[in-house]
Amino acid sequence: DAGVIQSPRHEVTEMGQEVTLRCKPISGHNSLFWYRQTMMRGLELLIYFNNNVPIDDSGMPEDRFSAKMPNASFSTLKIQPSEPRDSAVYFCASSPGQGYGYTFGSGTRLTVV
Amino acid sequence: TQLLEQSPQFLSIQEGENLTVYCNSSSVFSSLQWYRQEPGEGPVLLVTVVTGGEVKKLKRLTFQFGDARKDSSLHITAAQPGDTGLYLCAGPLRGATNKLIFGTGTLLAVQP
Repeated sequence: DAGVIQSPRHEVTEMGQEVTLRCKPISGHNSLFWYRQTMMRGLELLIYFNNNVPIDDSGMPEDRFSAKMPNASFSTLKIQPSEPRDSAVYFCASSPGQGYGYTFGSGTRLTVV
Repeated sequence: TQLLEQSPQFLSIQEGENLTVYCNSSSVFSSLQWYRQEPGEGPVLLVTVVTGGEVKKLKRLTFQFGDARKDSSLHITAAQPGDTGLYLCAGPLRGATNKLIFGTGTLLAVQP
């Protein structure tokens, strides 16, 4: 298995632009998570899907952030409009279920200028 | 609120030295996991500890879960440059066992 695949690896965009981050989880994993990592706040959970259904989006910072999982093999995290304070590394992770660990992707480093 | 505090925040040591990293909480966790994150990559799961007092070994790494299941430690014997990275502990949130919270992290640098 190729693991969790995220794209793009790096994204530089101007303030106000729409940004879409993509994730392909490991086949057979029924939970998918989006995290954001910064030096100041560490790893923060943004949203969590189980069987393609959003279970908890309490970590999504604002209405500018949205996430979808149209099927078991694909998820997107969208920021519209983007702001400089959204600059961070965004990770997608998947898990086979409760009690198991997470497999993380390599992340997307987002810079909003 | 369940929080996981790690110490030290930063650690720089010479190759061959031993070290211990701590993960503490005021809350009880059903299990704790340890991850290592290398620069430019996502965290990678090292181990899960489930039973209070449990000790697990992974080559030169020894993980222990506290008796009260509120804390854990990671001991590295004879550290090598390949051990360099960010070490994170993580535990499931109460009532939502597939949702993990992550500790504040310990950044380890092993100098050759």
